[in-house]
Amino acid sequence: EAGVAQSPRYKIIEKRQSVAFWCNPISGHATLYWYQQILGQGPKLLIQFQNNGVVDDSQLPKDRFSAERLKGVDSTLKIQPAKLEDSAVYLCASSLAGSKLYEQDFGPGTRLTVT
Amino acid sequence: KQEVTQIPAALSVPEGENLVLNCSFTDSAIYNLQWFRQDPGKGLTSLLLIQSSQREQTSGRLNASLDKSSGRSTLYIAASQPGDSATYLCAVMLLLILTGGGNKLTFGTGTQLKVEL
Repeated sequence: EAGVAQSPRYKIIEKRQSVAFWCNPISGHATLYWYQQILGQGPKLLIQFQNNGVVDDSQLPKDRFSAERLKGVDSTLKIQPAKLEDSAVYLCASSLAGSKLYEQDFGPGTRLTVT
Repeated sequence: KQEVTQIPAALSVPEGENLVLNCSFTDSAIYNLQWFRQDPGKGLTSLLLIQSSQREQTSGRLNASLDKSSGRSTLYIAASQPGDSATYLCAVMLLLILTGGGNKLTFGTGTQLKVEL
């Protein structure tokens, strides 16, 4: 079974530029999550999708961050414009909705550096 | 608001030593608690998941315990090896589906473990 795929793996941009990350969850996983992990901290949930609907985006900075999951499969996370404090690893995870454990499988992450 | 704390932040031990990593959380109304391993440049690997009704889980040289009433969990690693060097994260899950929310994971800041030869 293929794992959660993310691209790109690394990205360097200047502040005020825009950037987009892509995530392909495990086949059949209805729930998709985006996390932000700043160096030295644990991951923080930005947004959770159930199929193509948003379940929780309470910690998503909506003035600059946006995310979509068209067709309930792949997802993109966009930052526009980027700030220095957005430098972090962005992790995508997915889980099988309806599973008793709701265990999340994580992708390798995209490391973003904003200069 | 759920807060998760991990102590120590960093740990260096000689190979073969048994060690304990600690995790504490402020809200005991959790659905489960999970321990993850994170290697540099890689995603998270789930090590052990303990349901709120359970007291412990074991996998190989790893044993995790959960005391919901005191808001604590420990991860015990027996006979540590250099390959165990990584950052260990604990995360608690709140199940908010019944209230229209999701199954939210709240992570601690991690313990960076180095096992030396």
